[in-house]
Amino acid sequence: QKEVEQNSGPLSVPEGAIASLNCTYSDRGSQSFFWYRQYSGKSPELIMFIYSNGDKEDGRFTAQLNKASQYVSLLIRDSQPSDSATYLCAVNDFGNEKLTFGTGTRLTIIP
Amino acid sequence: DVKVTQSSRYLVKRTGEKVFLECVQDMDHENMFWYRQDPGLGLRLIYFSYDVKMKEKGDIPEGYSVSREKKERFSLILESASTNQTSMYLCASTPNTEAFFGQGTRLTVV
Repeated sequence: QKEVEQNSGPLSVPEGAIASLNCTYSDRGSQSFFWYRQYSGKSPELIMFIYSNGDKEDGRFTAQLNKASQYVSLLIRDSQPSDSATYLCAVNDFGNEKLTFGTGTRLTIIP
Repeated sequence: DVKVTQSSRYLVKRTGEKVFLECVQDMDHENMFWYRQDPGLGLRLIYFSYDVKMKEKGDIPEGYSVSREKKERFSLILESASTNQTSMYLCASTPNTEAFFGQGTRLTVV
């Protein structure tokens, strides 16, 4: 069974610092990787996706993928209190519709 | 904007009842999913469907069934509700990239 592992946290980061969230996955066949943000009482919403090894930047967010190490991370620069949420990592295989989520990391940005 | 709508935000049902959770999407997506979310366990996949009348078991299908008679609608059925099915249920649809989620249904079985 495919597994996606995340540190549950809570992870506390001072406002303005870089928050680093990590995710490992067990299936080497995984091709697509997603980061979702979920505010308390709300549904998950997509922040970023990444398919290729390396970094992908979007504003204050950077996703990093290392397929050899089966590791994907999300960096949040200049962290804001509004970034306080649970961050979910998700993976699926190319052409496989099944999307598997990790348990999520709870991030708190301290003003 | 993509819209995924779940029929109820909150539900309270009795043990042994048959429960229907409905999900409708308006973007002609092929794939639809039902997850349940519990503290410390994250989102666990119950069933998914990649086409009308097609369904695949997820990781925790026991006690559930699904129906997809039309492309836009994916229903989750609890054949005989039990207290361990008390949870937040999330429906999602995807064109094979980003998954769009409904607002969730918090089901309590008493």
